[in-house]
Formats: sequence, structure tokens, C-alpha cells
Amino acid sequence: GQQVMQIPQYQHVQEGEDFTTYCNSSTTLSNIQWYKQRPGGHPVFLIQLVKSGEVKKQKRLTFQFGEAKKNSSLHITATQTTDVGTYFCAGIGNDYKLSFGAGTTVTVRA
Amino acid sequence: EAQVTQNPRYLITVTGKKLTVTCSQNMNHEYMSWYRQDPGLGLRQIYYSMNVEVTDKGDVPEGYKVSRKEKRNFPLILESPSPNQTSLYFCASSSRSPGQSYSNQPQHFGDGTRLSIL
Repeated sequence: GQQVMQIPQYQHVQEGEDFTTYCNSSTTLSNIQWYKQRPGGHPVFLIQLVKSGEVKKQKRLTFQFGEAKKNSSLHITATQTTDVGTYFCAGIGNDYKLSFGAGTTVTVRA
Repeated sequence: EAQVTQNPRYLITVTGKKLTVTCSQNMNHEYMSWYRQDPGLGLRQIYYSMNVEVTDKGDVPEGYKVSRKEKRNFPLILESPSPNQTSLYFCASSSRSPGQSYSNQPQHFGDGTRLSIL
């Protein structure tokens, strides 16, 4: 099955700044999902990307799926303390299996 | 309220003592799966089930068993737990298998079960 790598593992951000987390797959994906896990909580679905080159926005969050459908990114603008948590990407390959990246843990300095 | 319920939430036990973590969903979902979460490794799938009586191995199935006799329940069984199975476990469900449809198939996660095997 595919391997999904996510970088960086940790992201320390000053409140108000922007940051991006990246997700790369060893194989072509049929689609990709993003989840957010607050400290002490469980992963919560954010969005799914399906089409090559697709870009979706949710308020300050921008999600992108690469042209080759092997990578994705999540960009957060004007980081707030509510953005604290771990962000996971999860790639779905042709075997229908969902493979999660290791996550990017975000902390915010006020 | 639509939810995935896991029990217990916390368990400390000893090596070799069989245990079962229950998982139940009330959304009539076909697809259910178990994950373990370890620092630096993210979520790794243990087993999944595409429907009643249909189960398959995920990426890290060794030492675990599952069953899917009813649509709503998907228990995780550790026949002879060992310390390397100390972890945070999540059960998840979705209406259909990931990738079966281009519509959103979000995974709905339970609150997690923290297992400590001494």
C-alpha cells in the first residue's frame, strides 16, 4: 500500500502568522482527506480532495491536491490559538485503504 | 446524536490477560476500522470491516482480532496483550468504504481508549 509522509512533524507558530503542512505519497492517490485532532481529543474530519489540482478553502484554511495526486498541502493564514492541535492527512489508494500521515502538531505562541 | 462509542476509555492491565475493547456506532455505517496512535507514528490501521462478516487486516494486525457479527458493533480483541500494545486506540466508522465513492466519506472517530499493558 501507499506510504504517506507528512512534514513538518512539529510547527511552532506565532499568533497571526501563516504556516503550511505538507503531505506526500509514494503512490498516486484516488483522493485525500484532512483531519484535525485537538489535544486530548479524537481526529475530526475537515475535508476531502478528489480532483487533480483541486483547491478548497474553509475560512482561514486552504487545502490543495497536487496535479499528480501524490501530494497535498494545508495552509493556515493568520494562525489563532484555536488552531492548536495535530493535523493529519490521510490518503486513499486504489486498494481503498486509508493511510494516515504521522501528523503535524501545531502550537501557537500568543 | 450520531456517535461512535468506545469502552472502556482507559484500561490498565497485565501481560497475557485477554481483553476486549468495544466499539458501537449508531449511524448505520457499513465501514468500520480500528487504529492505534503512537507518538511520531500517527494513526495506523489495525483491522477494518467493509460490512457484516467481512473483515480484513490493516497495516499492524499482529496480536489483535476483530469480529463483525452485527453492523453496529466492531469489537477489538487482544487475546494475550503484551507491553508493546500499550497505545491509544481509536475506532472509526464511515457510511461506505474510503474510495468507493467520490463523495465525502469522512471517518467518524470514537473518543479513544488508552490501554496500558504492564
